[in-house]
Amino acid sequence: GAGVSQSPSNKVTEKGKDVELRCDPISGHTALYWYRQSLGQGLEFLIYFQGNSAPDKSGLPSDRFSAERTGGSVSTLTIQRTQQEDSAVYLCASRTVRGGNYEQYFGPGTRLTVT
Amino acid sequence: GQQVMQIPQYQHVQEGEDFTTYCNSSTTLSNIQWYKQRPGGHPVFLIQLVKSGEVKKQKRLTFQFGEAKKNSSLHITATQTTDVGTYFCAGLTSGTYKYIFGTGTRLKVLA
Repeated sequence: GAGVSQSPSNKVTEKGKDVELRCDPISGHTALYWYRQSLGQGLEFLIYFQGNSAPDKSGLPSDRFSAERTGGSVSTLTIQRTQQEDSAVYLCASRTVRGGNYEQYFGPGTRLTVT
Repeated sequence: GQQVMQIPQYQHVQEGEDFTTYCNSSTTLSNIQWYKQRPGGHPVFLIQLVKSGEVKKQKRLTFQFGEAKKNSSLHITATQTTDVGTYFCAGLTSGTYKYIFGTGTRLKVLA
């Protein structure tokens, strides 16, 4: 079946511009995560959505970052007034419970480059 | 804040040699997961450990969760070139769904 998809796959933007990244999770997965991965680094938690509950935004690095999840499905991560340090791969993951395991399925990511 | 460290950061092995990566959390975990990320790819779920002292095996991979639920290890027996990639642990603390990923161990296997 279809996996998690993200768009765009690559985004180059000028410093100070806003960008919007999109994530289409696997159908039926109620939980969705956004992570950021800088070159050669681990994954940094950004935000977590679960059903209709209030999202856990504790990982968002500044108020320039925001995310929405409409209708419990598609999610968008918005970065306003981008800075060079925002350059990274932004990964989305949807989560299901299978055999007692909370498995996260990752999308291919959006590589953001801020010039 | 909570931190999850992994060692080593890099490991180069000859094909056929064994490999182990260690994961240490600053706080007690309710469960720990392991992921593999191939070069240029995205993380792929490998396993979840929940119980203190739990050991799980997947073919040549052996995963262990420490008695205190603060550390974990992944051991690969007789590495193959297909094992190349970065292995991440991800810890979850009780009362939260926020996974803290380890720093990762990058494995290179020389044929």
